[in-house]
Amino acid sequence: AQSVTQLDSQVPVFEEAPVELRCNYSSSVSVYLFWYVQYPNQGLQLLLKYLSGSTLVESINGFEAEFNKSQTSFHLRKPSVHISDTAEYFCAVSEGDTGRRALTFGSGTRLQVQP
Amino acid sequence: DTGVSQDPRHKITKRGQNVTFRCDPISEHNRLYWYRQTLGQGPEFLTYFQNEAQLEKSRLLSDRFSAERPKGSFSTLEIQRTEQGDSAMYLCASSLDRAGKSYEQYFGPGTRLTVT
Repeated sequence: AQSVTQLDSQVPVFEEAPVELRCNYSSSVSVYLFWYVQYPNQGLQLLLKYLSGSTLVESINGFEAEFNKSQTSFHLRKPSVHISDTAEYFCAVSEGDTGRRALTFGSGTRLQVQP
Repeated sequence: DTGVSQDPRHKITKRGQNVTFRCDPISEHNRLYWYRQTLGQGPEFLTYFQNEAQLEKSRLLSDRFSAERPKGSFSTLEIQRTEQGDSAMYLCASSLDRAGKSYEQYFGPGTRLTVT
């Protein structure tokens, strides 16, 4: 069984400030890791993913996440946020090598960017 | 590529009624997933199909729930004898899953079910 913990349900931050959204997971097998974003009144969109290789992965809009196997973490960071980054962010995990692709999600972190 | 579509977007029903939701995946995608999301929570996996075969069902999927994917294209999720606890957003996702290819799931906009 797998589980994902997002410790922060809400993160308020001022525009142009850095932000980190925390994600820890638990799994008995190797994992693939994902961050999804849900903008107000929109569906879930994939932000970035870790499948293998470099432990640091980046998105096209300036977010990055680092897979830390020893700490079982996949924290999401952005050095300077914009108002448009206001959204709900979900961390998710699936099994890496078994072919089972069902996602286990965390409970989400609401990022609120203030001017 | 028109993305994953779901119909209806909203459904209000009375307790005890049956409801059916439809999901149309991205056309070449061979895997289709159903998730449920309640307020303040992340999506929870319900079931998934590879082509027309239903490969896994979560224990969340009680006997009142049934899903089909005839011919490996669109899928339907039916809930019989709805209960108030079934009120949630039902999400569909699809992916193209072959050895060495992307494991990204693309989500539809969801169907919001309200059971009164």
